[in-house]
Amino acid sequence: EEQLVESGGSLVQPGGSLRLSCAASGFSLSYYWMNWVRQAPGKGLEWVAKIKQDGSEKDYVDSVKGRFTISRDNAKNSVYLQMNTLRVDDAAVYYCARERSRRYGIDVWGQGTTVTVSS
Amino acid sequence: QSVLTQPPSVSGAPGQRVTISCTGSTSNIGAGYDVHWYHQPPGTAPKLLMYNDVRRPSGVPDRFSGSKSGTSASLAITGLQAEDAGDYYCQSYDRSLSGLLFGGGTKLTVL
Repeated sequence: EEQLVESGGSLVQPGGSLRLSCAASGFSLSYYWMNWVRQAPGKGLEWVAKIKQDGSEKDYVDSVKGRFTISRDNAKNSVYLQMNTLRVDDAAVYYCARERSRRYGIDVWGQGTTVTVSS
Repeated sequence: QSVLTQPPSVSGAPGQRVTISCTGSTSNIGAGYDVHWYHQPPGTAPKLLMYNDVRRPSGVPDRFSGSKSGTSASLAITGLQAEDAGDYYCQSYDRSLSGLLFGGGTKLTVL
């Protein structure tokens, strides 16, 4: 079974840092664009970041540019999201998501990991 | 406010038909980008329901159908069942953005 499992979410103070991890099983991450998508409590889905198969291209939603960094280690079959200078409005469930291509959408989602930002 | 506009809520009785619209613009849906749909039952992760405008992933029943015309797309659900309840999101792309674009979501209540 193809699966994504996120980890690393926790309670952090405003201004703090956190690193989320996403481990894939049942398939090789190296063939896919990988994304992070978040969902604030009671809100809709918001795309956060994406990274190309070989890591050569990355992009971010404007609200996290300069604060978040997406990376991947295909040898470890994992994707990461380094989050710095966290703000209260970054609090959300963060999903790791596999995008086969623009024609196929996100066909595999993780179960999510919760980030709480509060003093 | 999302660039892709969905109705906040829809409802229907078991067995009925409901539709959920997703309205964009000439820089996203109207530019020919694919529209995908996701279903998120309460407390769970989203799941791909429709891709490439009209295609169903393996395992999705044919009670679900998608369509696209101009700057809008729609998801239709026939023979409504209790398990169809939850939130539905459309997703596409935009000329001015390199990332994914999500609609605001529609909450489906099965009466």
